[in-house]
Amino acid sequence: EAQVTQNPRYLITVTGKKLTVTCSQNMNHEYMSWYRQDPGLGLRQIYYSMNVEVTDKGDVPEGYKVSRKEKRNFPLILESPSPNQTSLYFCASNPLGTGNNEQFFGPGTRLTVL
Amino acid sequence: AQSVTQLDSHVSVSEGTPVLLRCNYSSSYSPSLFWYVQHPNKGLQLLLKYTSAATLVKGINGFEAEFKKSETSFHLTKPSAHMSDAAEYFCVVSDRYSGYSTLTFGKGTMLLVSP
Repeated sequence: EAQVTQNPRYLITVTGKKLTVTCSQNMNHEYMSWYRQDPGLGLRQIYYSMNVEVTDKGDVPEGYKVSRKEKRNFPLILESPSPNQTSLYFCASNPLGTGNNEQFFGPGTRLTVL
Repeated sequence: AQSVTQLDSHVSVSEGTPVLLRCNYSSSYSPSLFWYVQHPNKGLQLLLKYTSAATLVKGINGFEAEFKKSETSFHLTKPSAHMSDAAEYFCVVSDRYSGYSTLTFGKGTMLLVSP
């Protein structure tokens, strides 16, 4: 089944404890992206990648890192999480090396930072 | 820079009546526009997209939207609401200036459908 998977789906952690949220797609898509969703703010793009080893900042990159060592995986890394990073996170992919196409979204990861 | 404004945070309709969700965008560079729907505790699903072809775009579940360049609008409509349409809807813009690499989401419109 073609899909975007994220792990974990739910995570409660404490300030300063490094964490990684994984994202994997099995559709051989070139473009992958991370968003955070907060009430009243919609989704905001954190980072995106148009291909392997090509990543760039979105609208809200501060406090996050990403890597794209292989086409299928695009992990989101929080080196030192803070409470303002409590949010719902979505990973997405699409087949083109661009955002100009339907995004296929993962199921979301709900992160709470205490 | 691209931006999008969803004019209503909440819209309430009765089942069987028309739906109108309003979206205005700002972009000077051949925008692509999308509508996504998010049902409670679910991920996002594409309803429809405009990418410089026909200005009237038909999507899934009876939704459609019209790209009006002169009004910089991309409103979403449906002739008759169904209870299952209750969800949050997001208007999204991407444009050639960014190489269509970044997407900007509106803040969302919650559609409430009453019996």
